[in-house]
Amino acid sequence: SAVISQKPSRDICQRGTSLTIQCQVDSQVTMMFWYRQQPGQSLTLIATANQGSEATYESGFVIDKFPISRPNLTFSTLTVSNMSPEDSSIYLCSVLGPGSYEQYFGPGTRLTVT
Amino acid sequence: TQLLEQSPQFLSIQEGENLTVYCNSSSVFSSLQWYRQEPGEGPVLLVTVVTGGEVKKLKRLTFQFGDARKDSSLHITAAQPGDTGLYLCAGVIVQGAQKLVFGQGTRLTINP
Repeated sequence: SAVISQKPSRDICQRGTSLTIQCQVDSQVTMMFWYRQQPGQSLTLIATANQGSEATYESGFVIDKFPISRPNLTFSTLTVSNMSPEDSSIYLCSVLGPGSYEQYFGPGTRLTVT
Repeated sequence: TQLLEQSPQFLSIQEGENLTVYCNSSSVFSSLQWYRQEPGEGPVLLVTVVTGGEVKKLKRLTFQFGDARKDSSLHITAAQPGDTGLYLCAGVIVQGAQKLVFGQGTRLTINP
């Protein structure tokens, strides 16, 4: 398995501002994923981030709103831009275990937009 | 679009009872994963089932993958308050890159 940390763990932000969430993994991984989990809901994939290439976004998510960086094999950031109250969610980083198809999740970042 | 229907979405039972959670789809998955999530934490992987008809046991939890790899179930015997949490099934799709398709989740409450 992989140990994943996220910063910040939670934040309260004002409408119109942006927040960058960091994801750090304790081992090198090829594939990293960003998910959103709205209150009381299941997980929705935002994008897949592979090191050295552009992130691949799922339907309904765009790079201008959720820019992602993946500078190396242990780190990624997700920015939530021009936030609105509808962006209030838990944002989760996930990685594909080395040599496996099993995914492991970070603790999440709880974002509240006022 | 691959959909994974999970049921029930909410379940509240007494300690000691048995329960089953179902995940169903019209799509075939290369494998299926079950996660448990507690408040304020990310989902924790419980098990991965890969082969059609496969059954895996984790103490009081029994996971089964359907023969056609389109459905799965989680059965808990003698539920305990510590089993309380959000249970998520996720189908693995490999189309170039790997993706997980999550069910809606089952929020389980075990009352002492």
